[in-house]
Amino acid sequence: QVQLQQSGPGLVKPSQTLSLTCAISGDIVSSKSAAWNWIRQSPSRGLEWLGRTFYRSKWGNDYAVSVRGRIVVSPDTSKNQFSLQLDSVTPEDTAIYYCARSSNTYIDSWGQGTPVTVSS
Amino acid sequence: QSVLSQPPSMSGTPGQRVTISCFGSSSNIGNDFVSWYQQVPGTTPKVLIYRNDQRPSGVPDRFSGSKSGTSASLTISGLRSEDEADYYCVTWDGGLNGWVFGGGTKVIVL
Repeated sequence: QVQLQQSGPGLVKPSQTLSLTCAISGDIVSSKSAAWNWIRQSPSRGLEWLGRTFYRSKWGNDYAVSVRGRIVVSPDTSKNQFSLQLDSVTPEDTAIYYCARSSNTYIDSWGQGTPVTVSS
Repeated sequence: QSVLSQPPSMSGTPGQRVTISCFGSSSNIGNDFVSWYQQVPGTTPKVLIYRNDQRPSGVPDRFSGSKSGTSASLTISGLRSEDEADYYCVTWDGGLNGWVFGGGTKVIVL
């Protein structure tokens, strides 16, 4: 049973970088059958997938068009975790952020969620 | 505006059957599996259905899913008060190269 434990600040100033980490237990970040995702939820935007990292024969990423150019999702194999960096945040980035594991067919595990507010 | 379309809300009395629809396109539902999630406000989404019609262990069999063409549906048979929650459809979009969500359907048990 995989468990995902999120950590990171709940308040970020406008124009700064939002950084969150997701620690994995019960699986490994370099699994060839899983991908590691970041998803956010807000009243105005609903559930919104942001991006993912995955390992097959090499590391790869996919990112949502809405945040492309501002986002990096990266693995840390030494700590068996992955992270989200979202640059140049605005109040519109205020949301609950979730990390999640997906297989080829569905999102099967979620972190506990981190409420993040962008405000000065 | 969500990529997948769901009705914003539905209601029913205990024991009734409720069917939630989810409409997409050939680049998402028409070309990949659909999953359904239940979210009670303040909690994490919980998977109810995966691969269109498969239930994880522990999910009651009154929850069922189906897919046809570019649409999918979730049926709750024998509605119970604890089913009052938000329900979301999700699938992979090959054109966007990412997971896409419905806007969610709030089920109200009268």
